[in-house]
Amino acid sequence: NAGVTQTPKFQVLKTGQSMTLQCAQDMNHEYMSWYRQDPGMGLRLIHYSVGAGITDQGEVPNGYNVSRSTTEDFPLRLLSAAPSQTSVYFCASSYLGQSNGYTFGSGTRLTVV
Amino acid sequence: GDSVTQMEGPVTLSEEAFLTINCTYTATGYPSLFWYVQYPGEGLQLLLKATKADDKGSNKGFEATYRKETTSFHLEKGSVQVSDSAVYFCALVDSGYALNFGKGTSLLVTP
Repeated sequence: NAGVTQTPKFQVLKTGQSMTLQCAQDMNHEYMSWYRQDPGMGLRLIHYSVGAGITDQGEVPNGYNVSRSTTEDFPLRLLSAAPSQTSVYFCASSYLGQSNGYTFGSGTRLTVV
Repeated sequence: GDSVTQMEGPVTLSEEAFLTINCTYTATGYPSLFWYVQYPGEGLQLLLKATKADDKGSNKGFEATYRKETTSFHLEKGSVQVSDSAVYFCALVDSGYALNFGKGTSLLVTP
């Protein structure tokens, strides 16, 4: 199994550009989520989904959109990139249930100039 | 709201030293507790977990015990190796499904 696959691994954007970070999992996990990791801040939840067609906001949703049309895919869209969105982004998935740990992707390092 | 507090790093140890990374939590319910490890340039990997009070999670020589009375989940290892150098995150899930992370503790093990 591939697990959680994130693309691209690295990206440089200019301020105001848009892009989509891709996330796909092949484990039939119901739950998928996006986190951003910044120095000294740990991981902060951006958006999450508990199934196809269902999404909700996390701690830091502003500037990001998501959709969940299939169980496998959970793309994260930046509509107008800002330097404050320079970060490392991680996608994670799990089966529903409080005791299940997440499986993480390897991350996308995004720089906005 | 829920929160996780970890000791600040970086922690520098010599090989074969004993490791403790402190983690305490605040939660309204009965959370599940986790330790994740992040090696340089990689994503996070689940290291161990505990789902109820007095449970002990263990993996790769690491252990942590869910202490409800002290709201703690400290990570320990008896003899660290250079290959254990990484960032360690304590996390919890309370109500809902979202993992709530601490800020991470960087560990450097020197030969």
